Amino acid sequence: QSGLTQPPSVSAAPGQKVTISCSGSSSNIGDNYVAWYQQLPGTAPKLLIYHNDRRPSGIPDRFSGSKSGTSATLAITGLQTGDEADYFCGTWDGTLSNRVFGGGTQVTVL
Amino acid sequence: QVKLQESGPGLVKSSGTLSLTCGVSGDSVSSTNWWSWVRQSPGKGLEWLGEISHGGSTNYNPSLESRVAMSVDVSKNQFSLNLNSVTAADTAVYFCARLTLSCSITSCYFFIDSWGRGTQVTVSS
Repeated sequence: QSGLTQPPSVSAAPGQKVTISCSGSSSNIGDNYVAWYQQLPGTAPKLLIYHNDRRPSGIPDRFSGSKSGTSATLAITGLQTGDEADYFCGTWDGTLSNRVFGGGTQVTVL
Repeated sequence: QVKLQESGPGLVKSSGTLSLTCGVSGDSVSSTNWWSWVRQSPGKGLEWLGEISHGGSTNYNPSLESRVAMSVDVSKNQFSLNLNSVTAADTAVYFCARLTLSCSITSCYFFIDSWGRGTQVTVSS
């Protein structure tokens, strides 16, 4: 089934910034809000960003989201070893009548 | 803070029915939130199976609609997934999740804000 496209992995040194892209189409990202999740190994995914760029309470402002056209981006600044995890995006697809997700991006802190 | 906990058999025979339950604490399945099932497998990534309201209204993944059924048990504060005629392709980690409502000036929509830890289900021949 169709999903959203993310890079498999990104990496950076502690304190640096990484960005993760999430590419879709006019029927999903282009027409709906995007959420981002963090998944540490063996744990439940955790909501980081919703409504493209809103942070739930308790999520540090080192995490930020944006959307432009049919793509969305998650940025993590001041990278910490505790940020090593898989990150995935999700939204609704109006053509498929489906919730769709990205394949996930593994963040490595060098 | 809501907590979601999946439970059910970790091994299901091919052509049989996969049945899972999600226990909810810190929220009521009778609330305005909706409740969902998502699965994750190495080959297919995350796949949304469907969602259900407290009143029993459902939205199912069209590709699975003929095999999937969800239900809510208000008395036990839990919701359930049944997936029949399973094959090896249904082997995955199954997550239950909560959807909550967000509104802008022009529209409202539901999004997943909480997830369970997931449970591995393997379909055996």
